[in-house]
Amino acid sequence: GAVVSQHPSRVICKSGTSVKIECRSLDFQATTMFWYRQFPKKSLMLMATSNEGSKATYEQGVEKDKFLINHASLTLSTLTVTSAHPEDSSFYICSASDSRHGYTFGSGTRLTVV
Amino acid sequence: AQTVTQSQPEMSVQEAETVTLSCTYDTSESNYYLFWYKQPPSRQMILVIRQEAYKQQNATENRFSVNFQKAAKSFSLKISDSQLGDTAMYFCAFIGYGGATNKLIFGTGTLLAVQP
Repeated sequence: GAVVSQHPSRVICKSGTSVKIECRSLDFQATTMFWYRQFPKKSLMLMATSNEGSKATYEQGVEKDKFLINHASLTLSTLTVTSAHPEDSSFYICSASDSRHGYTFGSGTRLTVV
Repeated sequence: AQTVTQSQPEMSVQEAETVTLSCTYDTSESNYYLFWYKQPPSRQMILVIRQEAYKQQNATENRFSVNFQKAAKSFSLKISDSQLGDTAMYFCAFIGYGGATNKLIFGTGTLLAVQP
Protein backbone atom coordinates (compact mmCIF):
# COMPACT_ATOMS: atom_id res chain seq x y z
CA GLY A 1 0.00 0.00 0.00
CA ALA A 2 0.87 3.66 -0.24
CA VAL A 3 3.17 5.05 2.44
CA VAL A 4 3.73 8.64 3.45
CA SER A 5 6.68 9.40 5.68
CA GLN A 6 6.61 12.49 7.87
CA HIS A 7 9.60 13.81 9.82
CA PRO A 8 10.28 14.66 12.50
CA SER A 9 7.66 12.97 14.65
CA ARG A 10 8.38 15.32 17.53
CA VAL A 11 10.23 18.60 17.68
CA ILE A 12 10.83 21.17 20.38
CA CYS A 13 12.05 24.57 19.35
CA LYS A 14 12.68 27.89 20.99
CA SER A 15 10.33 30.78 20.46
CA GLY A 16 11.43 32.89 17.50
CA THR A 17 13.16 30.11 15.62
CA SER A 18 11.96 28.26 12.53
CA VAL A 19 11.27 24.58 12.14
CA LYS A 20 10.83 22.49 9.00
CA ILE A 21 8.61 19.44 8.68
CA GLU A 22 9.02 17.05 5.75
CA CYS A 23 6.40 14.92 4.08
CA ARG A 24 7.45 12.28 1.58
CA SER A 25 5.44 9.84 -0.47
CA LEU A 26 7.66 6.78 -0.53
CA ASP A 27 6.17 4.57 -3.21
CA PHE A 28 4.03 6.82 -5.34
CA GLN A 29 4.07 10.26 -6.89
CA ALA A 30 1.67 12.60 -5.15
CA THR A 31 -0.06 15.07 -7.41
CA THR A 32 -1.30 16.98 -4.42
CA MET A 33 -0.22 17.26 -0.81
CA PHE A 34 -2.20 18.69 2.06
CA TRP A 35 -1.15 20.08 5.42
CA TYR A 36 -3.41 19.89 8.46
CA ARG A 37 -3.25 21.12 12.00
CA GLN A 38 -4.92 19.27 14.81
CA PHE A 39 -5.57 20.41 18.38
CA PRO A 40 -6.06 17.83 21.14
CA LYS A 41 -9.27 15.84 20.70
CA LYS A 42 -10.27 18.04 17.80
CA SER A 43 -10.70 17.49 14.11
CA LEU A 44 -8.14 18.10 11.39
CA MET A 45 -8.06 21.64 10.15
CA LEU A 46 -6.82 22.04 6.60
CA MET A 47 -4.10 24.66 6.40
CA ALA A 48 -3.06 24.51 2.78
CA THR A 49 -3.03 22.50 -0.41
CA SER A 50 0.08 22.22 -2.53
CA ASN A 51 0.70 20.95 -6.02
CA GLU A 52 4.15 20.16 -7.29
CA GLY A 53 5.86 23.14 -8.85
CA SER A 54 3.21 25.68 -7.97
CA LYS A 55 2.38 27.90 -5.05
CA ALA A 56 0.38 26.49 -2.23
CA THR A 57 -3.23 27.46 -1.74
CA TYR A 58 -3.85 28.50 1.83
CA GLU A 59 -7.11 28.25 3.69
CA GLN A 60 -8.72 31.37 5.03
CA GLY A 61 -7.11 32.55 8.24
CA VAL A 62 -3.82 30.72 7.72
CA GLU A 63 -0.83 33.04 7.57
CA LYS A 64 1.16 32.39 4.42
CA ASP A 65 4.30 34.05 5.75
CA LYS A 66 4.26 32.05 8.94
CA PHE A 67 3.55 28.65 7.42
CA LEU A 68 5.74 28.32 4.34
CA ILE A 69 4.97 25.36 2.11
CA ASN A 70 7.26 24.09 -0.59
CA HIS A 71 6.35 21.25 -2.93
CA ALA A 72 9.58 20.87 -4.89
CA SER A 73 8.94 17.40 -6.29
CA LEU A 74 6.17 14.87 -6.73
CA THR A 75 7.36 13.04 -3.63
CA LEU A 76 8.31 15.81 -1.21
CA SER A 77 6.52 18.69 0.44
CA THR A 78 7.81 20.73 3.35
CA LEU A 79 6.11 22.93 5.90
CA THR A 80 8.26 25.54 7.61
CA VAL A 81 6.89 27.26 10.67
CA THR A 82 8.73 30.57 10.77
CA SER A 83 9.37 32.65 13.87
CA ALA A 84 7.53 30.08 15.93
CA HIS A 85 5.60 31.10 19.02
CA PRO A 86 4.05 28.98 21.77
CA GLU A 87 0.63 29.33 20.16
CA ASP A 88 2.00 27.48 17.11
CA SER A 89 2.45 24.40 19.28
CA SER A 90 0.22 21.73 17.80
CA PHE A 91 0.07 18.46 15.93
CA TYR A 92 0.71 18.82 12.20
CA ILE A 93 -0.29 16.13 9.70
CA CYS A 94 0.41 15.88 6.00
CA SER A 95 -1.49 13.93 3.41
CA ALA A 96 -0.53 12.97 -0.10
CA SER A 97 -2.94 12.02 -2.84
CA ASP A 98 -2.97 10.52 -6.27
CA SER A 99 -5.63 8.98 -8.46
CA ARG A 100 -4.71 5.42 -7.59
CA HIS A 101 -4.25 5.55 -3.82
CA GLY A 102 -6.55 8.37 -2.85
CA TYR A 103 -5.46 10.08 0.34
CA THR A 104 -2.61 8.73 2.47
CA PHE A 105 -1.63 10.38 5.71
CA GLY A 106 1.73 10.83 7.37
CA SER A 107 2.15 9.90 11.01
CA GLY A 108 2.17 13.51 12.15
CA THR A 109 4.56 15.89 13.88
CA ARG A 110 4.09 17.15 17.40
CA LEU A 111 5.54 20.64 17.58
CA THR A 112 6.24 22.25 20.93
CA VAL A 113 7.47 25.82 21.03
CA VAL A 114 9.06 26.86 24.32
CA ALA B 1 -20.53 25.02 1.26
CA GLN B 2 -20.00 21.42 2.22
CA THR B 3 -20.28 20.45 5.85
CA VAL B 4 -19.89 17.21 7.76
CA THR B 5 -21.56 16.75 11.12
CA GLN B 6 -20.89 14.13 13.75
CA SER B 7 -23.33 14.59 16.59
CA GLN B 8 -21.80 12.09 19.02
CA PRO B 9 -18.63 13.50 20.63
CA GLU B 10 -18.06 10.33 22.65
CA MET B 11 -19.39 6.80 22.67
CA SER B 12 -18.71 3.65 24.62
CA VAL B 13 -19.32 0.01 23.76
CA GLN B 14 -18.62 -3.31 25.40
CA GLU B 15 -16.17 -5.63 23.76
CA ALA B 16 -17.82 -7.98 21.22
CA GLU B 17 -20.89 -5.79 20.90
CA THR B 18 -22.01 -3.61 18.01
CA VAL B 19 -21.90 0.16 17.85
CA THR B 20 -23.06 2.68 15.26
CA LEU B 21 -21.47 6.07 14.74
CA SER B 22 -23.53 8.77 13.06
CA CYS B 23 -22.56 11.21 10.33
CA THR B 24 -24.57 13.61 8.25
CA TYR B 25 -23.33 15.89 5.52
CA ASP B 26 -24.55 18.68 3.35
CA THR B 27 -23.61 19.24 -0.25
CA SER B 28 -25.09 20.31 -3.54
CA GLU B 29 -22.71 18.14 -5.51
CA SER B 30 -23.87 14.96 -7.18
CA ASN B 31 -20.53 13.18 -7.39
CA TYR B 32 -18.63 12.65 -4.18
CA TYR B 33 -16.95 10.17 -1.89
CA LEU B 34 -17.49 9.58 1.79
CA PHE B 35 -14.96 8.11 4.18
CA TRP B 36 -14.55 6.96 7.72
CA TYR B 37 -11.09 7.40 9.19
CA LYS B 38 -9.82 6.02 12.46
CA GLN B 39 -7.24 7.84 14.58
CA PRO B 40 -5.94 5.67 17.44
CA PRO B 41 -3.82 7.08 20.28
CA SER B 42 -0.78 6.91 17.97
CA ARG B 43 -2.57 9.64 15.98
CA GLN B 44 -1.94 7.90 12.66
CA MET B 45 -4.92 8.44 10.39
CA ILE B 46 -6.17 5.11 9.06
CA LEU B 47 -8.78 4.69 6.35
CA VAL B 48 -11.54 2.42 7.61
CA ILE B 49 -13.99 2.43 4.74
CA ARG B 50 -15.06 4.50 1.74
CA GLN B 51 -18.28 4.89 -0.20
CA GLU B 52 -18.82 6.28 -3.68
CA ALA B 53 -22.01 8.30 -3.83
CA TYR B 54 -23.09 6.79 -7.12
CA LYS B 55 -23.08 3.29 -5.65
CA GLN B 56 -26.28 2.27 -3.96
CA GLN B 57 -24.74 -0.74 -2.28
CA ASN B 58 -23.38 -0.05 1.17
CA ALA B 59 -19.63 -0.58 1.54
CA THR B 60 -18.36 -3.30 3.86
CA GLU B 61 -14.88 -4.06 5.16
CA ASN B 62 -14.79 -7.06 7.48
CA ARG B 63 -16.39 -5.90 10.77
CA PHE B 64 -17.02 -2.41 9.46
CA SER B 65 -20.02 -1.47 7.35
CA VAL B 66 -21.82 1.70 6.45
CA ASN B 67 -25.44 2.69 6.07
CA PHE B 68 -25.44 5.21 3.26
CA GLN B 69 -28.69 7.09 2.82
CA LYS B 70 -28.07 9.51 -0.03
CA ALA B 71 -31.41 11.27 0.05
CA ALA B 72 -31.09 11.87 3.78
CA LYS B 73 -27.38 12.71 3.42
CA SER B 74 -26.55 10.27 6.13
CA PHE B 75 -23.49 8.02 6.36
CA SER B 76 -23.27 5.97 9.54
CA LEU B 77 -20.58 3.48 10.47
CA LYS B 78 -21.40 0.19 12.13
CA ILE B 79 -18.69 -1.70 13.96
CA SER B 80 -19.57 -5.30 14.72
CA ASP B 81 -17.87 -7.52 17.29
CA SER B 82 -16.06 -4.51 18.77
CA GLN B 83 -12.47 -5.10 19.81
CA LEU B 84 -10.26 -3.23 22.24
CA GLY B 85 -8.13 -2.12 19.30
CA ASP B 86 -11.11 -0.27 17.88
CA THR B 87 -10.71 2.34 20.61
CA ALA B 88 -9.95 5.53 18.69
CA MET B 89 -11.26 8.80 17.40
CA TYR B 90 -13.39 8.26 14.30
CA PHE B 91 -13.76 10.93 11.67
CA CYS B 92 -16.31 11.04 8.90
CA ALA B 93 -15.03 12.82 5.79
CA PHE B 94 -16.36 14.05 2.47
CA ILE B 95 -14.79 14.95 -0.82
CA GLY B 96 -16.64 16.27 -3.82
CA TYR B 97 -15.61 15.80 -7.40
CA GLY B 98 -18.36 17.64 -9.20
CA GLY B 99 -17.56 21.16 -8.08
CA ALA B 100 -14.75 23.30 -6.74
CA THR B 101 -14.11 21.18 -3.71
CA ASN B 102 -11.35 18.60 -4.11
CA LYS B 103 -10.20 18.48 -0.55
CA LEU B 104 -11.24 16.29 2.31
CA ILE B 105 -13.70 17.88 4.69
CA PHE B 106 -13.75 16.27 8.11
CA GLY B 107 -16.40 16.06 10.76
CA THR B 108 -15.61 16.90 14.37
CA GLY B 109 -15.01 13.30 15.30
CA THR B 110 -16.43 10.72 17.68
CA LEU B 111 -14.25 9.30 20.42
CA LEU B 112 -15.06 5.61 20.75
CA ALA B 113 -14.04 3.66 23.81
CA VAL B 114 -14.31 -0.13 23.74
CA GLN B 115 -14.67 -1.46 27.27
CA PRO B 116 -13.38 -4.91 28.26
